[in-house]
Amino acid sequence: QVQLQQSGPGLVKPSQTLSLTCAISGDSVSSNSAAWNWIRQSPSRGLEWLGRTYYRSKWYDDYALSVKSRITINPDTSKNHFSLQLNSVTPEDTAVYYCARDFFSASGWNGLDVWGQGTTVTVSS
Amino acid sequence: EIMLTQSPGTLSLSPGERATLSCRASQSVSSTYLAWYQQKPGQAPRLLIYGASSRATGIPDRFSGSGSGTDFTLTISRLEPEDFAVYYCQQYGSSPPFTFGPGTKVDIK
Repeated sequence: QVQLQQSGPGLVKPSQTLSLTCAISGDSVSSNSAAWNWIRQSPSRGLEWLGRTYYRSKWYDDYALSVKSRITINPDTSKNHFSLQLNSVTPEDTAVYYCARDFFSASGWNGLDVWGQGTTVTVSS
Repeated sequence: EIMLTQSPGTLSLSPGERATLSCRASQSVSSTYLAWYQQKPGQAPRLLIYGASSRATGIPDRFSGSGSGTDFTLTISRLEPEDFAVYYCQQYGSSPPFTFGPGTKVDIK
């Protein structure tokens, strides 16, 4: 059974960096059958996909246009987790942040089938 | 970027009734990479349907998805008390960025 466990601070000051980690159990961050995603949710923006990382003989990443200049998603194979870093945050980045797995099978991508528990992050001084 | 719109915004129904939710894309969704999620208060979204019509593991057969191109539908054949929630569609797959619709709330009439 695949599970994702999120960790990280719930309060970040404006202009600083938001950092969250998603620990994977029951699967591998370097699996050839998965992609590892970050999504956030706020009342003003709804559900917003932020980006993903995945391994297919080498590492790939994709990011949403709205955060592309500020975001990095990094895999850590030694700890079997992946992380989100969002730089230069503003109050607009206040949201519940989720990590999630997208599973790839013979029929293609299968949607976000496993989610972390969510982390409420508030950007405030 | 593909934009998704969902209708109606709110659907008020009674247990046992049929629910029909719509999701429309601003351009064709490639390879039918369209998913539906259910979200209850305080919980993460749960995958119901992927590939427009395939039920995810453990999802009851009262949930069904259909559609292609730009028009998709989620149908709940007979609403159970636990089905009252918010439902989101999402386009995903090989061509990011991926986007979610704004959601349809199914509440008790």
